[in-house]
Amino acid sequence: AQTVTQSQPEMSVQEAETVTLSCTYDTSESDYYLFWYKQPPSRQMILVIRQEAYKQQNATENRFSVNFQKAAKSFSLKISDSQLGDAAMYFCAYRSLINTGTASKLTFGTGTRLQVTL
Amino acid sequence: EAGVAQSPRYKIIEKRQSVAFWCNPISGHATLYWYQQILGQGPKLLIQFQNNGVVDDSQLPKDRFSAERLKGVDSTLKIQPAKLEDSAVYLCASSPAGTLGGYTFGSGTRLTVV
Repeated sequence: AQTVTQSQPEMSVQEAETVTLSCTYDTSESDYYLFWYKQPPSRQMILVIRQEAYKQQNATENRFSVNFQKAAKSFSLKISDSQLGDAAMYFCAYRSLINTGTASKLTFGTGTRLQVTL
Repeated sequence: EAGVAQSPRYKIIEKRQSVAFWCNPISGHATLYWYQQILGQGPKLLIQFQNNGVVDDSQLPKDRFSAERLKGVDSTLKIQPAKLEDSAVYLCASSPAGTLGGYTFGSGTRLTVV
């Protein structure tokens, strides 16, 4: 079974600064997807960024980028130019590349609460 | 495109009472998931449907939890009788069949058992 670990329960960043959230995972599969989701107080999970394990290039979405280290099974999220609206819970998640049955479920970490200060 | 609808948004019940949550996925999405998110933890899959069939319910406490997805559209998750440890946010998500990647989540139901 796959596991996802987020070792930072809380992080704080000043507005306009850069912050990196850490995530490690464990799997015996060679192909999979990794995700970062944002959960604001509204509780709805919002997809921030996605990385396919077979791609060597790190994914980037505007101010959000990842550092994917497959051999180390590490998947960190970097938020540049932090904004007040970035304050939320951030969850790292894993999904098998197999698209049948139970393999399509998401396995989540425990989350990191990000605070953004003025 | 309408999102995943869930109701109620909040629910407070006493232990040993019963409660039901409703989810209406995005139209055409074949796969529907129910996740339980206990405070301070990440969401954990309770049950997964493909159309109206159950794909995975290995983490569903079947002595008290039940779920159905009649006609392969909306779904209901029920707890009877509720325990204090069932206090959590119950999230519903859906995805199209055969998709690789993201899901659309609802805003969840926050259940408090007192």
